Amino acid sequence: EAQVTQNPRYLITVTGKKLTVTCSQNMNHEYMSWYRQDPGLGLRQIYYSMNVEVTDKGDVPEGYKVSRKEKRNFPLILESPSPNQTSLYFCASSPKSYQETQYFGPGTRLLVL
Amino acid sequence: TQLLEQSPQFLSIQEGENLTVYCNSSSVFSSLQWYRQEPGEGPVLLVTVVTGGEVKKLKRLTFQFGDARKDSSLHITAAQPGDTGLYLCAGGSTLGRLYFGRGTQLTVWP
Repeated sequence: EAQVTQNPRYLITVTGKKLTVTCSQNMNHEYMSWYRQDPGLGLRQIYYSMNVEVTDKGDVPEGYKVSRKEKRNFPLILESPSPNQTSLYFCASSPKSYQETQYFGPGTRLLVL
Repeated sequence: TQLLEQSPQFLSIQEGENLTVYCNSSSVFSSLQWYRQEPGEGPVLLVTVVTGGEVKKLKRLTFQFGDARKDSSLHITAAQPGDTGLYLCAGGSTLGRLYFGRGTQLTVWP
C-alpha cells in the first residue's frame, strides 16, 4: 500500500531532550516536506526537500533540523525541544513538487513539558 | 502575519444549503491548492489550480482562481453532512515553498 508513515504518533518529552520524528514514504517520491499545525494557525511549512541531499527552509525552520540521505526517509530533528514546539506535525511527499498531489502522513502529536 | 487569509473561519449550515469559502492574499501565487482535513488525519488534496481565471469543478464543489492569481474561492452546492471538515487553501510561489491559510471549519447539519 502506498503510504507515508511517521513515528512516533504520540510523544511526550521534556525541554532540552533531543528527539527525532521519522518519516518514510514508499512511493519513490522526490519531494518531501514537514509541517506543523497549531490551533488557529493552520499548517506552517518547516522544511522541505526537492530530492536527496537537497533541503531548504520553509516558513518556521527555527529549532528544527532535517536530513535527506535517502529518497524514502526525511527525519525531523529537534536538538533541544522547547514548550513552544508542542504541536501536531505532518510529513508529506509528492512525486516532484508540492504542485502535484501531496500525500500526508498520519501526524505526530508532540508535547514538550 | 498570515500570507493567505481565509474566510469565514467557521461555517455552520443546514444540509442542502450552498456556501462559499474565500482565500485572499496580496501576493501572487504560481498555483493554489485546496485541501480537506478530518479530525485526527492529514489533509487530503481536493484540487490544484494554476491558471489565472481557472475554474474547476469536482462534483458539487467549484474552485476558482482569481485572474490576478492572488485569491481563490471554493463553492459547495447543496452541502451534505459528509462535507463536514476543515478546508484549507495553500499557495506556492516556488516549487518548494507552500503557504497555508488558517482554515475554514465547516459543519453541515442533517
